[in-house]
Order: sequence, then C-alpha cells, then structure tokens
Amino acid sequence: TQLLEQSPQFLSIQEGENLTVYCNSSSVFSSLQWYRQEPGEGPVLLVTVVTGGEVKKLKRLTFQFGDARKDSSLHITAAQPGDTGLYLCAVPSGNTGKLIFGQGTTLQVKP
Amino acid sequence: DVKVTQSSRYLVKRTGEKVFLECVQDMDHENMFWYRQDPGLGLRLIYFSYDVKMKEKGDIPEGYSVSREKKERFSLILESASTNQTSMYLCASRTRQGWAGELFFGEGSRLTVL
Repeated sequence: TQLLEQSPQFLSIQEGENLTVYCNSSSVFSSLQWYRQEPGEGPVLLVTVVTGGEVKKLKRLTFQFGDARKDSSLHITAAQPGDTGLYLCAVPSGNTGKLIFGQGTTLQVKP
Repeated sequence: DVKVTQSSRYLVKRTGEKVFLECVQDMDHENMFWYRQDPGLGLRLIYFSYDVKMKEKGDIPEGYSVSREKKERFSLILESASTNQTSMYLCASRTRQGWAGELFFGEGSRLTVL
C-alpha cells in the first residue's frame, strides 16, 4: 500500500501554462516536503511545510499543506522549460526519522 | 556546501555477484538513507541509519544489507545480485535536528545486473 499518492503521474504542457500537482494520503503528518529531481541528478529540496493550511511561495511555485495535514498541492504559474523534472513529495514515517516518498509527478514543459 | 558522494555512477554486474555501493557525506550528519528509484515508483526506502552502527529497515530491504561503521560512510551491500535489482540507487544524508530537515542526495549509482 502506497502511503503517499501523487497525481498526475505525468504531465506535458506548453510554456506559459499553469498547472497543479497533488500529494494525498489518508494519514496525518507532522510535516511534508517537496523535492525536484532533474535528469542525472539527485532530488533537491524545494520546500518544507509544517502547519495545516500553510501556504509557501517560491517564485512561480506555490505550495499548500492541507488543513488536516493529510495532503498537499504544488501550483506552478506560467511554467517554463526549466521547470521540467520529477516532482516528489515526502513525509516522515515512524519515530526514528525515516522519510518516505511518493511515486512522483513527471513534468515536461515544451517551449 | 554539503556533499554526498556515491562511489560509482555506473556499474554492470553479473547475477550472483556481491555488490558494494559506497556513500560518503562530509557534513557530520547523523542520518543516512539508501533509496532505490524505478520509473513510476518514485523513491523507495531500502535502509535507514539514524546513527553510527544503528540501522532500520525501510520498505524494501529484502536482498540488501547495510553497514555504518563510521559516521560519514554508509554502504549498501547486495549479497547475491539478481536482475530485479537493476535500478538507480540514491544515497542521502540529513542532520538529526528534527524530522523536517532537508535531505541531501548524491548523484546516484545506476546498477545493471546481467
């Protein structure tokens, strides 16, 4: 059973379009992170959200943590080819600090 | 800058061989992780080490073992490689200060088992 469900799995859009990707679970989390991975590299942290209802902005990217702390969304405004990559959400699991990832959303932004 | 270094970017091994994947971090982090990445499956946790000589199984530990004798080094061992272990392997480290800390990843080791 997948603890985290990300949707959509794959998204291909034109430059300038807006998009939203989702990370959902039936469990409550103390925090949630979003990472982006570019081809040939390891994932890099974009943001950490810790409070239910929290909204964080990183340039054209807007992250929201659900009120019940069970889900999160990532919205990109006016996507650019440089946004292309694999977007992964991650949450702590258990009480020793393990971090579990969702299956990811692959985003392709065409010029 | 934090640096996580994985010993090999690409490896090709034969079925039944013993495989060692090495990971070294230079930031004195307590936590280290080994993940496996396959298309459509995201990152799946193989093993986690929360301190020297301390380890915990992840979601898919079968067929793997780990070693953490020194704080900076976390090794993943495939005792007898099989073709279904062909994959990208990612190592990561993190300070122990809170579960919301950032994971720093290496560039990955792509293993092919023939």
